[in-house]
Amino acid sequence: GDSVTQMEGPVTLSEEAFLTINCTYTATGYPSLFWYVQYPGEGLQLLLKATKADDKGSNKGFEATYRKETTSFHLEKGSVQVSDSAVYFCALSRPNAGNMLTFGGGTRLMVKP
Amino acid sequence: DSGVTQTPKHLITATGQRVTLRCSPRSGDLSVYWYQQSLDQGLQFLIQYYNGEERAKGNILERFSAQQFPDLHSELNLSSLELGDSALYFCASSLGQGGSYEQYFGPGTRLTVT
Repeated sequence: GDSVTQMEGPVTLSEEAFLTINCTYTATGYPSLFWYVQYPGEGLQLLLKATKADDKGSNKGFEATYRKETTSFHLEKGSVQVSDSAVYFCALSRPNAGNMLTFGGGTRLMVKP
Repeated sequence: DSGVTQTPKHLITATGQRVTLRCSPRSGDLSVYWYQQSLDQGLQFLIQYYNGEERAKGNILERFSAQQFPDLHSELNLSSLELGDSALYFCASSLGQGGSYEQYFGPGTRLTVT
């Protein structure tokens, strides 16, 4: 079945550091890929998405590129802020199979001033 | 604010009891999804409804059931509750049932079974 693997946290960075959170997936066909963010005490918010190979999703300084050859969708940001502290989830859906999301285990990011 | 509402926000109940969680999707969205977030299982898809009909089932226990009503709100019923059912239950909605429609998540209902 489908699965998503992402690096375990917590990831602790200083403000303005470079962020990478690795995500790899296993799925049949051509899934859509997503990054969701969960701030403390809140629900999940879509951060960015990519629906086909080589697509780059970007939002709020975060980027991720759909790499079919390596089945990866790593999240990057050039300069993190304290306000980016949250849990980040990589996820996939197979558009022709109900569109439900399969999530990775989540990575907690802590940014120190 | 995603536009998806869930009630109640918190629920504390005892083992063996039954509870109902409610979700109102964003205006215009026809599809509703339920997810469970627990420490040991992570975030798991439970069930999906589209315009009142069940469309997909994930790792949903037989003690759990759901429905979507004509006004498109949805309810998740959990019965014969066990300690392991303690979790955060999220509802999400999307415009359609396929393609790559974006899912919008509600704030969740935190269920504690004692």
